[in-house]
Amino acid sequence: DIQMTQSPSSLSASVGDRVTITCRASQGISNYLAWFQQKPGKAPKSLIYAASSLQSGVPSKFSGSGSGTDFTLTISSLQPEDFATYYCQQYNSYPPTFGGGTKVEIK
Amino acid sequence: QVQLVQSGAEVKKPGSSVKVSCKASGGTFSSYAISWVRQAPGQGLEWMGRIIPILGIANYAQKFQGRVTITADKSTSTAYMELSSLRSEDTAVYYCASTGQQLVLGAFDIWGQGTMVTVSS
Repeated sequence: DIQMTQSPSSLSASVGDRVTITCRASQGISNYLAWFQQKPGKAPKSLIYAASSLQSGVPSKFSGSGSGTDFTLTISSLQPEDFATYYCQQYNSYPPTFGGGTKVEIK
Repeated sequence: QVQLVQSGAEVKKPGSSVKVSCKASGGTFSSYAISWVRQAPGQGLEWMGRIIPILGIANYAQKFQGRVTITADKSTSTAYMELSSLRSEDTAVYYCASTGQQLVLGAFDIWGQGTMVTVSS
């Protein structure tokens, strides 16, 4: 199975900060990477697919980049509604696997 | 746009089975693939398997082979996930998620609201 490693596992940031989360795959996955946001007690919400394409309705403050094994999710200006846990996921090969998550907390 | 609505919370005894449903509305059920993903309390996300409803073909994660069965009823646009031989470690929220890609894995776009399954004696 492809292992997905996210860093950091948690971070503290202030409203207005630019935040970057990193995801690394144990082997190359081209651009078959997705990002999800999850708030406590809620289902994940799809943010990005194909490493850099925004899902419909997702604001442009979210952006993704990368290819191969190294990927990033950037939130350009953190807002109160963005405090959540973020997961990356590869869908290059079976089984689809997720990173361990990055919890974004209020500083 | 597709919406996925799941069945309600379940409490089960160890050794029993649970069947969770995921009803799709607002889209063409036959054009999607439906995956099941679970999340144990305080833990991350784990893919269990998927089905292509129009073909009735399911794939399962090795970890759950032999214990999970994913089916779909095209007439009601509903997918099902049945997990047998339940143990306490199966206590989790179970999600269904759709993708418009059928013949390849594809990215999840829509998620159900989740179903809490508690396994306790």
